[in-house]
Order: sequence, then structure tokens, then C-alpha cells
Amino acid sequence: GENVEQHPSTLSVQEGDSAVIKCTYSDSASNYFPWYKQELGKRPQLIIDIRSNVGEKKDQRIAVTLNKTAKHFSLHITETQPEDSAVYFCAASSLNEKLTFGTGTRLTIIP
Amino acid sequence: DAGVTQSPTHLIKTRGQQVTLRCSPKSGHDTVSWYQQALGQGPQFIFQYYEEEERQRGNFPDRFSGHQFPNYSSELNVNALLLGDSALYLCASSKQTGAETQYFGPGTRLLVL
Repeated sequence: GENVEQHPSTLSVQEGDSAVIKCTYSDSASNYFPWYKQELGKRPQLIIDIRSNVGEKKDQRIAVTLNKTAKHFSLHITETQPEDSAVYFCAASSLNEKLTFGTGTRLTIIP
Repeated sequence: DAGVTQSPTHLIKTRGQQVTLRCSPKSGHDTVSWYQQALGQGPQFIFQYYEEEERQRGNFPDRFSGHQFPNYSSELNVNALLLGDSALYLCASSKQTGAETQYFGPGTRLLVL
């Protein structure tokens, strides 16, 4: 089955700096890669996703890149703000199949 | 347009008891997936329901069972509760055709004593 590894487990950056979180996946059949943000005690919220026919996607300060050959994808957050502090999860799946999640990255933005 | 809803929000049970959790999908969605999220970990897939049938199942014992109703809402049942079943149970809904995006409900926090 699919296995998703996520690094780093914790990340602290100064407000205004950029943050990068990286994930690798094992199943070449996976073709959908969402990123979720989860604040303490709340539901995971989708912040951006990418499909395997696209190499990069951007939404304001958030971008995701995908390298299918290397089986890895990354989340980039620019101009970080205190409200970006949360746990971020990457995930991978095939069409309409289960999501396999990474272990999460706790991002702390230092004011 | 209501998002995914779950009930109850919190639940306390004792070992050996049974529990039923409920989920109503986002309007227009027909597929419901259930996940278990232990403290400090990522969500783990339990199973997925579509057309009132279990389509896919994760690595969970038969104590975990589910059901989907004609209105697409779903239930998760856990029998013979163990201390290790304490977790946040998340329901996610999606459309079977088209985008694969899964939207999560607020979860039910289950504590087994």
C-alpha cells in the first residue's frame, strides 16, 4: 500500500520568512496530493491540492510542487504570518481512493 | 450550503461498550470516508462508503463497522471498545465522480476509560 513520509516534524520560522515542508510517496499509482492545515482541536482544512498532470500550483502565498519521477511533493508558504502556525499534513491518493497521510509538521511562526 | 457535520462532538465510554458516531456529508456529495486520528498523529483511513456499500477498508479490525443511508449520511460503529480506541474520529465527504477533494467534518472526540 501507499506510504507517505513527511519532513520536518517541527519547523520554526521568523514571521515574514518562507516555510517549506516536504513529502515523499511510494505508490506510483497515486495521482492526487492534497495539503491540509489543522489548528489545535479543529478539523483538517484543505489549503491546496495538486494532481499528477500538473507540476506546480500556486494560491496567493501558498504553492505546491510535484516531482512524479522522484515521487515527492512540497508545500511552500511565503511571507509567513502568525496565523500560519498550525500542523500541516500532506496526503496522497489514487482516484477516489483513500487518503494516506504523512505524519504532520508542526509549524510555528515566531513574531 | 452546509458543510460536513458530525455528532456527537465528544463522547466518553468505558471499555467493552459500543459506540455509534454519525456524519452528514456536504451538500452534493455522495461518498463518505471515516478516519481515526490519534493524538499527535495523522488521520488513518478506516473505510469508505458509496452507494450504501463499503468500497474500501483500511487496516482496522471487524469491531469497526459502518453504514451509509440513502440520503448519503453515514454511521461508524465500534464494538467492544478498547482504551486504544480513544481518538478523534473524522468523517470526510466527497463526490465519487469528478474531483477527489475530501472535506472533513469537525470530528467526534472519543475517550475510552
